[in-house]
Amino acid sequence: NAGVTQTPKFQVLKTGQSMTLQCAQDMNHEYMSWYRQDPGMGLRLIHYSVGAGITDQGEVPNGYNVSRSTTEDFPLRLLSAAPSQTSVYFCASGRLAQGNQPQHFGDGTRLSIL
Amino acid sequence: QQPVQSPQAVILREGEDAVINCSSSKALYSVHWYRQKHGEAPVFLMILLKGGEQKGHEKISASFNEKKQQSSLYLTASQLSYSGTYFCGTETSSRGSTLGRLYFGRGTQLTVWP
Repeated sequence: NAGVTQTPKFQVLKTGQSMTLQCAQDMNHEYMSWYRQDPGMGLRLIHYSVGAGITDQGEVPNGYNVSRSTTEDFPLRLLSAAPSQTSVYFCASGRLAQGNQPQHFGDGTRLSIL
Repeated sequence: QQPVQSPQAVILREGEDAVINCSSSKALYSVHWYRQKHGEAPVFLMILLKGGEQKGHEKISASFNEKKQQSSLYLTASQLSYSGTYFCGTETSSRGSTLGRLYFGRGTQLTVWP
């Protein structure tokens, strides 16, 4: 079982470059989300989606775009990378039911922006 | 939106007990607990719902005080494998849909020594 798959695992970008982080899940989960993790800051929600065609902002959406054209895929786009976006990015998915559904995390993408 | 966790760090000897607290300024539908080992993805431990308490693992249990908007994670007779960073994630009950949207605390780093 693949679960949640994130690619790439590591990436180095230059300031101003664009990039798409890929996330795919094979569990038919309605809910998908992106988090960034910085030292001492925990996991901060960037964007999330409750189904194909529906996305919404989390705590730290600025500088990131998302789309959800299929249930399986939820890519995260950095249009013009900035050093402040250096972080570890996690994608997660779960069933859509309030209060009782665990989130399944991918292995993360470690992104450095020079 | 981010819940507050305490303490920030705990150091234990094998066999000792620990309590990690999580509090929110908003009314909660649920509290999720996750553990993350260094360099790995967060792993789900358990969910606590309004009106209930759920034990997800041996010797790791949790409580949820809805009125105080607080949850505590109890680790008894700690083992070396318990070392890691523990995160609580909260799902709030605000007007409008917050279905599935989790906000995580900054984490509690637990170190267990032999």
